[in-house]
Amino acid sequence: GEEVAQTPKHLVRGEGQKAKLYCAPIKGHSYVFWYQQVLKNEFKFLISFQNENVFDETGMPKERFSAKCLPNSPCSLEIQATKLEDSAVYFCASSLRSSGANVLTFGAGSRLTVL
Amino acid sequence: SQQGEEDPQALSIQEGENATMNCSYKTSINNLQWYRQNSGRGLVHLILIRSNEREKHSGRLRVTLDTSKKSSSLLITASRAADTASYFCASEANDYKLSFGAGTTVTVRA
Repeated sequence: GEEVAQTPKHLVRGEGQKAKLYCAPIKGHSYVFWYQQVLKNEFKFLISFQNENVFDETGMPKERFSAKCLPNSPCSLEIQATKLEDSAVYFCASSLRSSGANVLTFGAGSRLTVL
Repeated sequence: SQQGEEDPQALSIQEGENATMNCSYKTSINNLQWYRQNSGRGLVHLILIRSNEREKHSGRLRVTLDTSKKSSSLLITASRAADTASYFCASEANDYKLSFGAGTTVTVRA
């Protein structure tokens, strides 16, 4: 499709529960990115993929966060044992990264609320 | 940590006026991009300026880039109510990762 589809739009979890978010990138885009936005402030980079391979995971809190992009499946971002500070909007974006420029197309985001 | 810083944090203008916002970044870049975020939505790409360019126009948008000062500005001319949004700059370094600033919230009053 021509849009990045993220599900669910809103997810509510109790502290300590697991949260899993999904992202279907634009068909033909080989790069996928996850960003975290807290309180409408800056976007914190989490992880990027080139097809199903992790490209850059320098932003991932390794202890509780994991992500995958498997062939023929939506990409996923999973948070084990959620904490209050994980409450944020998680954005997925995809790109072609052509002509030496990485222009991202973003999904509408998944809002995670941890109670 | 995020690389860009934006100034001002918030801007309120009358419809028809121009809006100018600035962005600074810290390391060498391939290009600098500007995105818009409407309330409750994802970012939408507006314009890209490469490191060897100094100025670029797209419709009512004008972007400048000063690599010696590591700064960029976005000018929106003849603003409309529909321009009300948050605007983010994003610097793309050699590792192709985009680092976003904290954004400027623009309110256009009718």
